[in-house]
Amino acid sequence: QSVLTQPPSASETPGQRVTISCSGSSSNIGSNAVNWYQQLPGTAPKLLIYSNNQRPSGVPDRFSGSKSGTSASLAISGLQSEDEADYYCAAWDDSLSGVSFGGGTKLTVL
Amino acid sequence: EVQLVESGGGLVQPGGSLKLSCAASGFTFSDFAMHWVRQAPGKGLEWVGRIKNKAKNYATTYAAPVKGRFTISRDDSKNTAYLQMNSLKTEDTAVYYCTRRDCSGDYCYSDFWGQGTLVTVSS
Repeated sequence: QSVLTQPPSASETPGQRVTISCSGSSSNIGSNAVNWYQQLPGTAPKLLIYSNNQRPSGVPDRFSGSKSGTSASLAISGLQSEDEADYYCAAWDDSLSGVSFGGGTKLTVL
Repeated sequence: EVQLVESGGGLVQPGGSLKLSCAASGFTFSDFAMHWVRQAPGKGLEWVGRIKNKAKNYATTYAAPVKGRFTISRDDSKNTAYLQMNSLKTEDTAVYYCTRRDCSGDYCYSDFWGQGTLVTVSS
């Protein structure tokens, strides 16, 4: 059972917008930045969003992140078939002195 | 180009030991903390532990499930990080990833990941 809570699945049609939520507590999201990782089938995770809302070089601006209190969200607009992947939120947890991950959300592009 | 290449995975019996390596290239390895993350078959990501850089005295921190059994080390002269795993349990079966840890101000993130190496603990 993961410290950060994500919905196990999400789906939307191409071209539409989808949001994935990530809920935590004061010891993780409430006091540290949230990062998001994308894991395409059969590959290693890739950094998608860091420091709540920053995109690494090469990540399209269709991907955006936000944080409020002890929750965070990842939004993907203009959905494309290649966005089908597992998405994980993560944050440092002061209580655990380690990184807490969400359980992951499997995104299906219908 | 930043590259992280894990090696050393394989099949080991419960109670056994295994040492994973993570060879880094394309950046100044000694400047960065390195983390290990694992993923059990069909499951999500689980943080294993980290080792900071020389400036931070190579401090290590571990997740509760592996504390006392796993040891992270590094050899900056070889640009390599290691994960020594002892007293292995069947629940340690997973793909193990090493990651480079970068920071923006006070907040840090794993910006590069290796391809992973599979560890199977089974009799």
